[in-house]
Amino acid sequence: AQSVAQPEDQVKVAEGNPLTVKCTYSVSGNPYLFWYVQYPNRGLQFLLKYITGDNLVKGSYGFEAEFNKSQTSFHLKKPSALVSDSALYFCAVRDRMNTPLVFGKGTRLSVIA
Amino acid sequence: NAGVMQNPRHLVRRRGQEARLRCSPMKGHSHVYWYRQLPEEGLKFMVYLQKENIIDESGMPKERFSAEFPKEGPSILRIQQVVRGDSAAYFCASSPPSGPPTGEQFFGPGTRLTVL
Repeated sequence: AQSVAQPEDQVKVAEGNPLTVKCTYSVSGNPYLFWYVQYPNRGLQFLLKYITGDNLVKGSYGFEAEFNKSQTSFHLKKPSALVSDSALYFCAVRDRMNTPLVFGKGTRLSVIA
Repeated sequence: NAGVMQNPRHLVRRRGQEARLRCSPMKGHSHVYWYRQLPEEGLKFMVYLQKENIIDESGMPKERFSAEFPKEGPSILRIQQVVRGDSAAYFCASSPPSGPPTGEQFFGPGTRLTVL
């Protein structure tokens, strides 16, 4: 069975500092990994994905994530946080195309001015 | 190209009533997924449909819940005899047919169901 763990319920960083939101996964085959962001009372917006290729994936709004197969991790990063990055972030995984996503519980990011 | 549309955005029902949630996928998308998000939790998969077919309903409660995606019209998630525990945000996502796969699913804004 597939699973995703986001070990931190909440992450707080100061504006301008780098941020990391952690994600580890478990799948039986090759993983397809995704990050989504959710703003209050809104749907999920796609940020980035890892399907194959380079382990460092760049996405929307300056976010990037690094796929680490040995550590089964896919941490989300941004070099310089903005207050507007404050939101709920979800990591998701699946092991085949066009199958349901398995989501982590989410990490609430707060960027403080 | 309009995104995934869901309506209504907010739905209030009394216990025992029926709730009907609608989802129109993005143009050209033939795969629809329904997810449920309980307060302060992640999204849980409910059902995966293609046009006129249920592909995977392993996440759907066995009773009171049903889903369809007819040849014409939106996908419908139907909850009969709602209970307070059904109060949640219900999200629909769509993705294009297979090949070449892009991977991500595109989410609608959600329907927030409140059961009184």
